[in-house]
Amino acid sequence: AQSVTQLGSHVSVSEGALVLLRCNYSSSVPPYLFWYVQYPNQGLQLLLKYTSAATLVKGINGFEAEFKKSETSFHLTKPSAHMSDAAEYFCAVSDTTSGTYKYIFGTGTRLKVLA
Amino acid sequence: EPEVTQTPSHQVTQMGQEVILRCVPISNHLYFYWYRQILGQKVEFLVSFYNNEISEKSEIFDDQFSVERPDGSNFTLKIRSTKLEDSAMYFCASRVYGGPTGELFFGEGSRLTVL
Repeated sequence: AQSVTQLGSHVSVSEGALVLLRCNYSSSVPPYLFWYVQYPNQGLQLLLKYTSAATLVKGINGFEAEFKKSETSFHLTKPSAHMSDAAEYFCAVSDTTSGTYKYIFGTGTRLKVLA
Repeated sequence: EPEVTQTPSHQVTQMGQEVILRCVPISNHLYFYWYRQILGQKVEFLVSFYNNEISEKSEIFDDQFSVERPDGSNFTLKIRSTKLEDSAMYFCASRVYGGPTGELFFGEGSRLTVL
């Protein structure tokens, strides 16, 4: 079965510092991976997705993620954190073993940005 | 910009009562999903729906749950007899393309509180 694991349920960074949110996947077939963001009292919004076209994926709001097959990782980064980045971030994998390609989400990482 | 809309945003109900959560997916989307998020936990898949029938359901989606697309726009989730453990945020999602890379668009959620 395909799955994702997010290390660190809470991450705090100072404003202007590097943001690194970790996601590792488990899949016996090439995965399709996604990062979503959830701002307080809002739904999930797609940040970026990996669909095998390029290993470095750029998303919205200055975020990017690099697919590393050797490390089974898809970590999310942003060079300089902004206060508005405070939110919960979810990594997800598209379940290619089922015909519905539903997303399977990780447990989420809550990012706190300190002034 | 088209969006998935959900009503109600918050519903409080007594244990044993029936609840219907409503969703209006994006108009040209063909694949519909319900997910739930118990407070502090990960986003869990409940059910997927395509061509007026359930295409996949999780173990959570037992006989107490049902989904329906009563007309061309609404997509509903019914819980027949609510339990305390049904308290969660319920997200509706839709997408136009059913393959593994098709982006899921989420609504802002319906928070269900069962007393």
